[in-house]
Amino acid sequence: EAQVTQNPRYLITVTGKKLTVTCSQNMNHEYMSWYRQDPGLGLRQIYYSMNVEVTDKGDVPEGYKVSRKEKRNFPLILESPSPNQTSLYFCASSFQPTLAGKGNEQFFGPGTRLTVL
Amino acid sequence: GQQLNQSPQSMFIQEGEDVSMNCTSSSIFNTWLWYKQEPGEGPVLLIALYKAGELTSNGRLTAQFGITRKDSFLNISASIPSDVGIYFCAGNNNAGNMLTFGGGTRLMVKP
Repeated sequence: EAQVTQNPRYLITVTGKKLTVTCSQNMNHEYMSWYRQDPGLGLRQIYYSMNVEVTDKGDVPEGYKVSRKEKRNFPLILESPSPNQTSLYFCASSFQPTLAGKGNEQFFGPGTRLTVL
Repeated sequence: GQQLNQSPQSMFIQEGEDVSMNCTSSSIFNTWLWYKQEPGEGPVLLIALYKAGELTSNGRLTAQFGITRKDSFLNISASIPSDVGIYFCAGNNNAGNMLTFGGGTRLMVKP
């Protein structure tokens, strides 16, 4: 089954304790991305990756790191989590868009609910 | 970053009624996407639009890419209880494949 998977689905941690949320897709997509979803603010992009070893900042990158060493995996790293990073996080993937725009359809994982105390 | 203006924010309707929601932007987009999110799940793609003026259907759902490329609407006909969820529009101008999302429309359907 074609899918985007995230782990863990739920995580409660304390301020300053480094954590990693994993994301994996089995659709051979070049493009992967991380979003956070907060009430009243909708979905906002944190980081994205156009291909292996190519990453770039989205709208809200502060406090986050990513890496793209393999095509299928795109982990999100919080080196020193803070309470304002309590949120619902989504990983998404797609093919690279063509000039006509095809491939922009991003497929989302099930989400990771993170609480930082 | 910019956020699309999506309206209405919420709707509470009777089963069988038609629903309409829309998104507007001050910027031009090359692609409009409509997603549905149910509790505890990630957004699921419903319809993708690629050309200005394009009208696309997916079952009881119909979406249109505005002719100015700055807006899009989604219609749901003959709503049923399983239509409940939050509907998001998203625009893409191909700048890094970054999607800009609307704030969502929460749809509630009364049986």
